Amino acid sequence: DAGVTQSPTHLIKTRGQHVTLRCSPISGHKSVSWYQQVLGQGPQFIFQYYEKEERGRGNFPDRFSARQFPNYSSELNVNALLLGDSALYLCASSLATGLPQHFGDGTRLSIL
Amino acid sequence: GQQLNQSPQSMFIQEGEDVSMNCTSSSIFNTWLWYKQDPGEGPVLLIALYKAGELTSNGRLTAQFGITRKDSFLNISASIPSDVGIYFCAGQQEMDSNYQLIWGAGTKLIIKP
Repeated sequence: DAGVTQSPTHLIKTRGQHVTLRCSPISGHKSVSWYQQVLGQGPQFIFQYYEKEERGRGNFPDRFSARQFPNYSSELNVNALLLGDSALYLCASSLATGLPQHFGDGTRLSIL
Repeated sequence: GQQLNQSPQSMFIQEGEDVSMNCTSSSIFNTWLWYKQDPGEGPVLLIALYKAGELTSNGRLTAQFGITRKDSFLNISASIPSDVGIYFCAGQQEMDSNYQLIWGAGTKLIIKP
């Protein structure tokens, strides 16, 4: 069975641009969460979605937004990119909220 | 953002040695999770703990959920080269039926040949 898949794997953008990252959960999983991982640190929670509704939001600015589609896949959007947005963006899925999350390999975003 | 206190930051050990790492927090968690992350990959779930005092094993790995619900430890017995990587603890909080994971900064395990 396929695990969590994320695309693209790597992305290079410049300051001020916007970016869309995509995630497909494990089949049957209805909850998707997004995390930002800066080099040398643990992941930081950005959003959680369940059944297409936002169920949690971390301490990130409004430039960050996300949505979940009827097939449970998800997109993370970041507007007005800053140098500090350079990080590994991880997507995780779980059967439901509160259950163990399984991660994809992430999208490495570099801002020049 | 909020992080758990995970220690040690890194460990240099000989193959065959046992390893111990822990996480502490000022907050109470309902669930403790331990993940391993290899370079260029996402974290992989190793062990999930759901009850205070719970002791759970997964092969050579053993983890415990602290009685106070504010800490957890992970032990690896008889380490092998493929154990190299970064180990993260994560505590799950529930707020208004929403769940989020709070993470430690990781323990980097290096095995000396």
